[in-house]
Amino acid sequence: DQQVKQNSPSLSVQEGRISILNCDYTNSMFDYFLWYKKYPAEGPTFLISISSIKDKNEDGRFTVFLNKSAKHLSLHIVPSQPGDSAVYFCAGSGGGADGLTFGKGTHLIIQP
Amino acid sequence: SAVISQKPSRDICQRGTSLTIQCQVDSQVTMMFWYRQQPGQSLTLIATANQGSEATYESGFVIDKFPISRPNLTFSTLTVSNLSPEDSSIYLCSAFAGTSAYEQYFGPGTRLTVT
Repeated sequence: DQQVKQNSPSLSVQEGRISILNCDYTNSMFDYFLWYKKYPAEGPTFLISISSIKDKNEDGRFTVFLNKSAKHLSLHIVPSQPGDSAVYFCAGSGGGADGLTFGKGTHLIIQP
Repeated sequence: SAVISQKPSRDICQRGTSLTIQCQVDSQVTMMFWYRQQPGQSLTLIATANQGSEATYESGFVIDKFPISRPNLTFSTLTVSNLSPEDSSIYLCSAFAGTSAYEQYFGPGTRLTVT
């Protein structure tokens, strides 16, 4: 039972354009969502998060949108840069002392 | 944010042996977490480790196979016991260390290969 789903294993975007990474979840108890970026041979790096009571959070080039009724969130990166090429993981948290439930990740490739 | 280090970064172990992974945080943290990433899969939570209490294991993970120690507020170890090839994974530790109670920061991971 996959509680967090990232249905696109990979995504290719031209440099300078917008990258949109999608994530769906089934667990209504999640009250916080996080996006992580991972390079090979490194641990995941925290990017941006959003509380379930909000529908948008922005931090520089990164914006996360949450559609609670659709149980869907998306990460927008604009403009996309070559250094953004990495695997992006979406994760949900039930809060408090809970660990994170991760999706399988989307490999983003930024084309020059 | 916190800086989290892990040792070893990688190891190759024989079937039936054990490997202990160390995780060090550069600041005091209440809770630490251990995750596993099997090849081609997502990160899966193994257990939560609080200082001064027994670790809490997720479904499918047991203390006999994955004993955890948490002797102080900056350090934890995970042992993977009685190794089999199915244990070949990346093991990562994390801790809450951001501006909110939900932001977890991760170590670089330990890549374990069991032959």
